[in-house]
Amino acid sequence: DGGITQSPKYLFRKEGQNVTLSCEQNLNHDAMYWYRQDPGQGLRLIYYSQIVNDFQKGDIAEGYSVSREKKESFPLTVTSAQKNPTAFYLCASSSGITVNSPLHFGNGTRLTVT
Amino acid sequence: DQQVKQNSPSLSVQEGRISILNCDYTNSMFDYFLWYKKYPAEGPTFLISISSIKDKNEDGRFTVFLNKSAKHLSLHIVPSQPGDSAVYFCAASANGGTSYGKLTFGQGTILTVHP
Repeated sequence: DGGITQSPKYLFRKEGQNVTLSCEQNLNHDAMYWYRQDPGQGLRLIYYSQIVNDFQKGDIAEGYSVSREKKESFPLTVTSAQKNPTAFYLCASSSGITVNSPLHFGNGTRLTVT
Repeated sequence: DQQVKQNSPSLSVQEGRISILNCDYTNSMFDYFLWYKKYPAEGPTFLISISSIKDKNEDGRFTVFLNKSAKHLSLHIVPSQPGDSAVYFCAASANGGTSYGKLTFGQGTILTVHP
């Protein structure tokens, strides 16, 4: 079955540490995205990548970094510069070309920083 | 600046009745709208979409209506079922949907359907 795998499901870190969230897809999608969800708010776009070796900042990129070395993988690093890192992080992918191709989301990683 | 707003945080409906979820937007460049459904501890799943050239799109029990002049869209679920209980997100895209993943989401509405 094709899909998006995010790991781990729950992640705990101490303040001041960088942490990397994994996202892998086997849908052969060109485009991948990272969103963040906070209580009472919609999903907000952190970074996106339309093609391998290229990525763009979303609406709330400060304190985050990404890489796109392979089509299947789009890891997100939450750095110590991110002021409020505790959140639910969602990775998504799409063909990015036709309007009939919806976003496919992973099941998310809940990050808690104390 | 919340460009997509879902002003009702929650909605409670009896099984078999109609559920109406509302969404308002402010950016006139939005031309493609989507609804996603999300269960706890899972990622959102795509439900239904509508292009700005239409005012209605129907898929089974789900119908989305778009009123461009009012910058308002709504999702109707008829008849509502207990399994529909979830968080529903409205989302919008500009550029004809080609920048598909660059969606602007509303805050979500928690729908509870009672047996």
